Amino acid sequence: GAGVSQSPRYKVAKRGQDVALRCDPISGHVSLFWYQQALGQGPEFLTYFQNEAQLDKSGLPSDRFFAERPEGSVSTLKIQRTQQEDSAVYLCASSDRTDRETQYFGPGTRLLVL
Amino acid sequence: AQRVTQPEKLLSVFKGAPVELKCNYSYSGSPELFWYVQYSRQRLQLLLRHISRESIKGFTADLNKGETSFHLKKPFAQEEDSAMYYCAPYAYQTGANNLFFGTGTRLTVIP
Repeated sequence: GAGVSQSPRYKVAKRGQDVALRCDPISGHVSLFWYQQALGQGPEFLTYFQNEAQLDKSGLPSDRFFAERPEGSVSTLKIQRTQQEDSAVYLCASSDRTDRETQYFGPGTRLLVL
Repeated sequence: AQRVTQPEKLLSVFKGAPVELKCNYSYSGSPELFWYVQYSRQRLQLLLRHISRESIKGFTADLNKGETSFHLKKPFAQEEDSAMYYCAPYAYQTGANNLFFGTGTRLTVIP
């Protein structure tokens, strides 16, 4: 079956622009996670959904970051007024209800803010 | 504070040599420990988790609670093992759960 997909794969934005990153999890997976991976670093947790409920957003670095999953499947991570420090790879992962700890990752969206 | 330390950013070994990738963690409670791997041009994927006690692709990892370590080992490295490896405790918190990744070790197996 299809794995986690993300779009776009690459995004170049001018500083101050808003961007929206999409994640399509594996069908039926209730848990969805967003991570930010800066160059040379490991992924850092941003936020977590269980179905449509955002249970943890403690990792979001500022109020410019917003994530939603309105129907409990596709999720969108939105970054408003992008800054150069937002440049990173944004990873989405999903897991099913029987094994939340095993996460399946998407290919990531590489965001470059100029 | 919760912390994962992978002391080696780069590690090179010859094919057939043993390999050990180090991971130390500092965590409250008893996290579950994972190793994730990213091969060239592929996505991040689970390699193994300590609770399953499996050997995946010849790799094993033993949890040492006294030393708070979860080192990844393989007795005979293969060229296809070249990849980026991340140690990742799974943090259980009230109402949420998430992986907490180390900075990773890039393993290169020299033919």
